[in-house]
Amino acid sequence: TQLLEQSPQFLSIQEGENLTVYCNSSSVFSSLQWYRQEPGEGPVLLVTVVTGGEVKKLKRLTFQFGDARKDSSLHITAAQPGDTGLYLCAGASSPYNYGQNFVFGPGTRLSVLP
Amino acid sequence: SAVISQKPSRDICQRGTSLTIQCQVDSQVTMMFWYRQQPGQSLTLIATANQGSEATYESGFVIDKFPISRPNLTFSTLTVSNMSPEDSSIYLCSVDPQSYNEQFFGPGTRLTVL
Repeated sequence: TQLLEQSPQFLSIQEGENLTVYCNSSSVFSSLQWYRQEPGEGPVLLVTVVTGGEVKKLKRLTFQFGDARKDSSLHITAAQPGDTGLYLCAGASSPYNYGQNFVFGPGTRLSVLP
Repeated sequence: SAVISQKPSRDICQRGTSLTIQCQVDSQVTMMFWYRQQPGQSLTLIATANQGSEATYESGFVIDKFPISRPNLTFSTLTVSNMSPEDSSIYLCSVDPQSYNEQFFGPGTRLTVL
């Protein structure tokens, strides 16, 4: 069974600050997704990365997939209170497969204070 | 993408009873998933439900405790049977419309067992 670790577990920052959260594994993933979950809601897909070294930008969010496809990072520039939530990474060891091949990380709980 | 609704949104149940959670999708999908999210935790896959076949359960989850139905390509139910306080969790259904390991989640059902 593959495992994903995320750090930090909790993060509380002031509006306007920058931050980076990390998702790491000892295993190689064919793809990796980032989700954001707000209280009382289900997770919402933010991005999928599939190529080692890939960088994707979504407004103030920058996602990077490690060259070896074992890790990923999410960088938020000028954080806003609306960015508050639980950030989850999830990965598949092989394409189109679930079960033991697909895992969620434990999450980073972000709080952005106005 | 896909729009997913769940019923009920929340419930408080007595120990020993059962609750059936419904998941409705706005389009036909092959793969539907049921997850459990315990308080402050990440997501754990309970089972994968494909139309026309029995659900596939992950380690630690059994059909007698979590029977699943998948009568058509837009609907599924998960029953939590003989509940105990340890079953208090958020239960989420999700779909992967294109089988690209990109999931879309329902809003979840928050279950409290007394």
